[in-house]
Amino acid sequence: NAGVTQTPKFRILKIGQSMTLQCTQDMNHNYMYWYRQDPGMGLKLIYYSVGAGITDKGEVPNGYNVSRSTTEDFPLRLELAAPSQTSVYFCASSYAEENSPLHFGNGTRLTVT
Amino acid sequence: AQTVTQSQPEMSVQEAETVTLSCTYDTSESDYYLFWYKQPPSRQMILVIRQEAYKQQNATENRFSVNFQKAAKSFSLKISDSQLGDAAMYFCAYRPPQGGSEKLVFGKGTKLTVNP
Repeated sequence: NAGVTQTPKFRILKIGQSMTLQCTQDMNHNYMYWYRQDPGMGLKLIYYSVGAGITDKGEVPNGYNVSRSTTEDFPLRLELAAPSQTSVYFCASSYAEENSPLHFGNGTRLTVT
Repeated sequence: AQTVTQSQPEMSVQEAETVTLSCTYDTSESDYYLFWYKQPPSRQMILVIRQEAYKQQNATENRFSVNFQKAAKSFSLKISDSQLGDAAMYFCAYRPPQGGSEKLVFGKGTKLTVNP
């Protein structure tokens, strides 16, 4: 079982550059999420999707964009990287049921200099 | 807005001993869901245990159990017979009944050290 797969694991960007963080899941989960984790903090929701073609903003969406063209894939786009976006990014997925836990990818450590 | 508070930034325990990690939350809902996640140095987030608020019985998963006090809005995690592999960050999370997982709120975490 691959579960939730994120690529890349590490990335260094210069200010103003763009990149896409890839996320794919093979569990046929309806819901997918992007979180960021800053040092000493919990996870904050960036964007989420309840199904293909449907996305919505979370708590900290500024500076990011997402798309959900298939059930499996949920890429996160950074258009103009800023130092404030230095963080660890997690993709997660779950079933729609309320007690369904999130399954996380292994995270991407992004540094913007 | 719902908040989750983990008042212990760091905890330590001797191998084979028992440790309890605290979590409190703020909500006006009567039905909701609570989770504990473990994040080892590998960075992966792993579900440890979950509790439905409508269930009075405390959830248990092998060496992990919770003390769910609904009136006090407290959801502590007890780790028995601690093992070196239990060393990790532990995050408490709350989810309301409506809206699904997009409303999941995490605490800031407790770093657990297990001493041999």
